[in-house]
Amino acid sequence: GDSVTQTEGLVTLTEGLPVMLNCTYQTIYSNPFLFWYVQHLNESPRLLLKSFTDNKRTEHQGFHATLHKSSSSFHLQKSSAQLSDSALYYCVMSNYNVLYFGSGTKLTVEP
Amino acid sequence: AQTIHQWPVAEIKAVGSPLSLGCTIKGKSSPNLYWYWQATGGTLQQLFYSITVGQVESVVQLNLSASRPKDDQFILSTEKLLLSHSGFYLCAWSLAGYQDTQYFGPGTRLLVL
Repeated sequence: GDSVTQTEGLVTLTEGLPVMLNCTYQTIYSNPFLFWYVQHLNESPRLLLKSFTDNKRTEHQGFHATLHKSSSSFHLQKSSAQLSDSALYYCVMSNYNVLYFGSGTKLTVEP
Repeated sequence: AQTIHQWPVAEIKAVGSPLSLGCTIKGKSSPNLYWYWQATGGTLQQLFYSITVGQVESVVQLNLSASRPKDDQFILSTEKLLLSHSGFYLCAWSLAGYQDTQYFGPGTRLLVL
């Protein structure tokens, strides 16, 4: 069935270092939408970025991701982590009004 | 501006008791509406979605039901709560279908004892 896998449950980084959060997905549909949602402590999730187009980089708030259908991946990256990036990040796949959330990666950025 | 309101903010209920959670969206006509459940320390799991008034589709069976009595209202309920129903319930809306951004409400925390 459809699913999303985030291999890192916890990522701890020092401020200024690059961020990479992994996301792979599995689906029988050829055109899924992929999203990254971010959830800060005691807040609801909000959209960070989304993509539908194969091999096209999408960027928002310093983060970027590229959907690679050949490898079913949608990794999230940022060149330099900031303290305010500390949050829970969900990779999400959407097919026909059903959203599949990955297990989430908790990113902690330390001074 | 669109606003999404969920009620109650938090509930403590007994096993076997009934439950009704509500969600209202203001400022947007005919939104798609969604219910999600998040177990403590867990990921979000979509429960239901609704494209129009009176129509609700179930995604996961958790002994819960949902209804959309008005265009701007989405209700989640059960007649008998289970311990496993504890968690965080989020309502969300989107303009269109699965390709659109989802906007989440503040959520309702439920503890079943």
